[in-house]
Amino acid sequence: EAEVAQSPRYKITEKSQAVAFWCDPISGHATLYWYRQILGQGPELLVQFQDESVVDDSQLPKDRFSAERLKGVDSTLKIQPAELGDSAMYLCASSLASGQTSPLHFGNGTRLTVT
Amino acid sequence: SQQGEEDPQALSIQEGENATMNCSYKTSINNLQWYRQNSGRGLVHLILIRSNEREKHSGRLRVTLDTSKKSSSLLITASRAADTASYFCATLDTGRRALTFGSGTRLQVQP
Repeated sequence: EAEVAQSPRYKITEKSQAVAFWCDPISGHATLYWYRQILGQGPELLVQFQDESVVDDSQLPKDRFSAERLKGVDSTLKIQPAELGDSAMYLCASSLASGQTSPLHFGNGTRLTVT
Repeated sequence: SQQGEEDPQALSIQEGENATMNCSYKTSINNLQWYRQNSGRGLVHLILIRSNEREKHSGRLRVTLDTSKKSSSLLITASRAADTASYFCATLDTGRRALTFGSGTRLQVQP
């Protein structure tokens, strides 16, 4: 079964440094999501793409976070500068279409620790 | 912000017993989905129930939806140690295009 690929699996960085995460969705999936999951909580949406366009980035802290999906395929999420409160699991997911009845397929995430 | 709230937050049962988890939400929805997450891994889709459906089955899973009470339940029958995981409900709110997840129920099935 096709999977959503994410890298790196783990990342440790010092505060004020820049960090980037990469996601390759399932082939043919037009919709891509970045979620952040703090330990013990459910995932919270950061940004949603439809092809290469941002559909929803209302919860993305734009002063330090940026996301792109230039060719409508893979995506990069960047944090600059990282803060201690950014320590979390960053999950990428994809679906055939947004909304309605398309289930999300998640990658195994990037565990970020900011020291 | 998180829409759904699962209850209980944690549940520990013996293998072979049934496990019931509940989810409450606040706004109108198009559908409600349940996901499972093993420790340190991504979420896996289990089942989707539309707002006009009241009950749905998939293998050992049974999901109910009561839109008048804005609640859903997930029943896992004849639980196995391999069912140990966190379970999340997620709602697609009317007018939104992305799922909003609850805080999850951590299920521990003792062998």
